[in-house]
Amino acid sequence: GAVVSQHPSWVICKSGTSVKIECRSLDFQATTMFWYRQFPKQSLMLMATSNEGSKATYEQGVEKDKFLINHASLTLSTLTVTSAHPEDSSFYICSAAALLDSYNEQFFGPGTRLTVL
Amino acid sequence: QKEVEQDPGPLSVPEGAIVSLNCTYSNSAFQYFMWYRQYSRKGPELLMYTYSSGNKEDGRFTAQVDKSSKYISLFIRDSQPSDSATYLCAMSFLGNQGGKLIFGQGTELSVKP
Repeated sequence: GAVVSQHPSWVICKSGTSVKIECRSLDFQATTMFWYRQFPKQSLMLMATSNEGSKATYEQGVEKDKFLINHASLTLSTLTVTSAHPEDSSFYICSAAALLDSYNEQFFGPGTRLTVL
Repeated sequence: QKEVEQDPGPLSVPEGAIVSLNCTYSNSAFQYFMWYRQYSRKGPELLMYTYSSGNKEDGRFTAQVDKSSKYISLFIRDSQPSDSATYLCAMSFLGNQGGKLIFGQGTELSVKP
């Protein structure tokens, strides 16, 4: 099956620092990758859609200068949380889309837990 | 009003029970309907997806879609303790929206031995 990995799985950082999270599709090429954020006992909220070689499309209310997304290849997308603050502490999940039967099925990574002190 | 509404639970059932999980939605443009299972501190995994009204069965799981009522359900037969997880419904559009998914809040399920 399609496997998506994320690194790191857990990170603690100080307020004001930047954190980079990697998302990789291990056994397929993903035309599109998505970044979600999930607070405890809440649903996944889409932050941005990322296509290889082009700028990411951010959802309303998501600060593009704070959450930098780079999609350099068909197997790798990165999310950088710049100048992190405690309110950015959350579970960040990426997904990678593969076209199956005219539908883009998304395969999710295991998530990255970010704690900002 | 949220686009997708899901009762967050928690829902606790004894082993062997039939579980019914439900979502309602407001946007009639949704065409694809998915159910994901998420274990604690893990990413969601796809259980089932459908794109038409009716039932779809896969082992102990049955997904039901009623587009006229904007209502979808997931039934789990002979529930097992290993089914304990959060179940998320998700929906998407055809065409330009591509794979953008709108999730429900998730229902936390606990199956007691």
